[in-house]
Amino acid sequence: SQQGEEDPQALSIQEGENATMNCSYKTSINNLQWYRQNSGRGLVHLILIRSNEREKHSGRLRVTLDTSKKSSSLLITASRAADTASYFCATGDTGRRALTFGSGTRLQVQP
Amino acid sequence: EAQVTQNPRYLITVTGKKLTVTCSQNMNHEYMSWYRQDPGLGLRQIYYSMNVEVTDKGDVPEGYKVSRKEKRNFPLILESPSPNQTSLYFCASSSWDSTGEQYFGPGTRLTVT
Repeated sequence: SQQGEEDPQALSIQEGENATMNCSYKTSINNLQWYRQNSGRGLVHLILIRSNEREKHSGRLRVTLDTSKKSSSLLITASRAADTASYFCATGDTGRRALTFGSGTRLQVQP
Repeated sequence: EAQVTQNPRYLITVTGKKLTVTCSQNMNHEYMSWYRQDPGLGLRQIYYSMNVEVTDKGDVPEGYKVSRKEKRNFPLILESPSPNQTSLYFCASSSWDSTGEQYFGPGTRLTVT
């Protein structure tokens, strides 16, 4: 079952602009993760934020988590053409012993 | 280099012909998992394994089997493939538990005709 739902489904921006993607989920979580997938390839882990954290940074990535609203956002600053990919949020729930992935946001960064 | 490998990367087969997709990781991870990815549906978990000889069903296990005889290997078996199993398959592993950061293989694109 899908828990994380990303918004928007697709996003097109110019190089240098910021890209923001949102994720909503339904149940209690232990952590929320963001992954990137280049076309047809395996997913690459970007960042993990625990349920007791509100914000986390990693390079040009900034992730926020609002457990009261059951939502998270991923901000990519100063985007590059190489950031073109699909981005997925995944929620960790020990009760399910698995990550649950959303359907992803397709980001296109125009050079 | 730490990695998850899958073979084959591409496979076209016919309905009913048994096949195995191999998955191997060199990171000594306890947890391994199989997902399938279909357009508009995201990634759905097929089976997972918490350790050697411990496997359990995910969200979409019908038509699949797995085994975990060694820590590093987690093959996915389709005993009688059907066209609705045409998909992109990913193996993943994780070091600390089932909800931690997962390392993904490059994917296997399977077409069943």
